[in-house]
Amino acid sequence: DTEVTQTPKHLVMGMTNKKSLKCEQHMGHRAMYWYKQKAKKPPELMFVYSYEKLSINESVPSRFSPECPNSSLLNLHLHALQPEDSALYLCASSQVIERQFFGPGTRLTVL
Amino acid sequence: GQNIDQPTEMTATEGAIVQINCTYQTSGFNGLFWYQQHAGEAPTFLSYNVLDGLEEKGRFSSFLSRSKGYSYLLLKELQMKDSASYLCAVRPEYGNKLVFGAGTILRVKS
Repeated sequence: DTEVTQTPKHLVMGMTNKKSLKCEQHMGHRAMYWYKQKAKKPPELMFVYSYEKLSINESVPSRFSPECPNSSLLNLHLHALQPEDSALYLCASSQVIERQFFGPGTRLTVL
Repeated sequence: GQNIDQPTEMTATEGAIVQINCTYQTSGFNGLFWYQQHAGEAPTFLSYNVLDGLEEKGRFSSFLSRSKGYSYLLLKELQMKDSASYLCAVRPEYGNKLVFGAGTILRVKS
């Protein structure tokens, strides 16, 4: 299994809603990532978990809250988002310092 | 700071060869990656260079010169399906963080 899966594929939410994005991999990777990608822009790193511990937080606003329940799962909890947070949210995984495998992304729209 | 430059767009003809350049100025260097991303899809890994020289993988090759802060991706025998965005990414230090360039949109025409 060389796949990173993400759910949901699309999400529309209001600014007062609470929602979660989910990511799963079964490649035994010990590093997992969240990226944000706006249209025609490169992915921007948000968070890195290494061995289930948060190792990098790229000064992301607290309305985004990551969680790594176990080595295969990564969640991103969303609360009180702004319309400018609308983007493609990509999850990736890797063996530590090796190449990253990306999931298909969740396209988020904040109304 | 970290700065990675790539051309914004390129157009090439089916069957031809195209070279996509990437220059970088980063706080450190611990490897350079090339990814391909089709519109609306996830980036997929193409190549990795950490030492100077050319890495060849089928129709795709990647070159690195660390002293010049320069890499290129060479695509041979272009196919229509190669139309995509090509992302250059640098790992500035030992660890998991990648810094991506803005990407080069390649259009292959028949």
